[in-house]
Amino acid sequence: GNSVTQMEGPVTLSEEAFLTINCTYTATGYPSLFWYVQYPGEGLQLLLKATKADDKGSNKGFEATYRKETTSFHLEKGSVQVSDSAVYFCALRYQAGTALIFGKGTTLSVSS
Amino acid sequence: EAGVTQFPSHSVIEKGQTVTLRCDPISGHDNLYWYRRVMGKEIKFLLHFVKESKQDESGMPNNRFLAERTGGTYSTLKVQPAELEDSGVYFCASSPATGGFTGELFFGEGSRLTVL
Repeated sequence: GNSVTQMEGPVTLSEEAFLTINCTYTATGYPSLFWYVQYPGEGLQLLLKATKADDKGSNKGFEATYRKETTSFHLEKGSVQVSDSAVYFCALRYQAGTALIFGKGTTLSVSS
Repeated sequence: EAGVTQFPSHSVIEKGQTVTLRCDPISGHDNLYWYRRVMGKEIKFLLHFVKESKQDESGMPNNRFLAERTGGTYSTLKVQPAELEDSGVYFCASSPATGGFTGELFFGEGSRLTVL
């Protein structure tokens, strides 16, 4: 079946450190891939997305590249800030009219 | 424009009681989804409405859960009777009719349910 696996957290970093959160997927066909973020006290919001192989999604300094050959969509940021502390969810959607399928979420804590 | 709103933000009930969660989607969004996150686990799909019709309810855990969407506007999710394992955060999301499977879902802040 369709599923998303992301690295277990929590991830604790110092400000300006490099961030990678791994995400791999299993899906039929060619899904769209997403990263959602939940800041403390808020709902989930879309961070970035990629809809086909080799696409790179980017937003707020975060990037992720849709790698079909490795079925991965790893999230990266070159220099994290305290304000990036949140829970990050990798997700896929494999056809129109279907719901998002999420990973377990990775909690990121950034200290100054 | 108002976002997706959910009520209540937190509910604490005893096992065996009934709770009703409400979701108001973004105005004009035909698609409405319910999800649940149990502590530390993935966000699991519960069901999907298109307007007032249930498009997919494959994620509903059992018949203690009942979802409705009156007139294709707001939706309610009732849990009756509640069990301990129903505790978690219930998220609602909406999206417009257009956008296909590349489109974004807009989420509410969630309703946290604690069953004692």
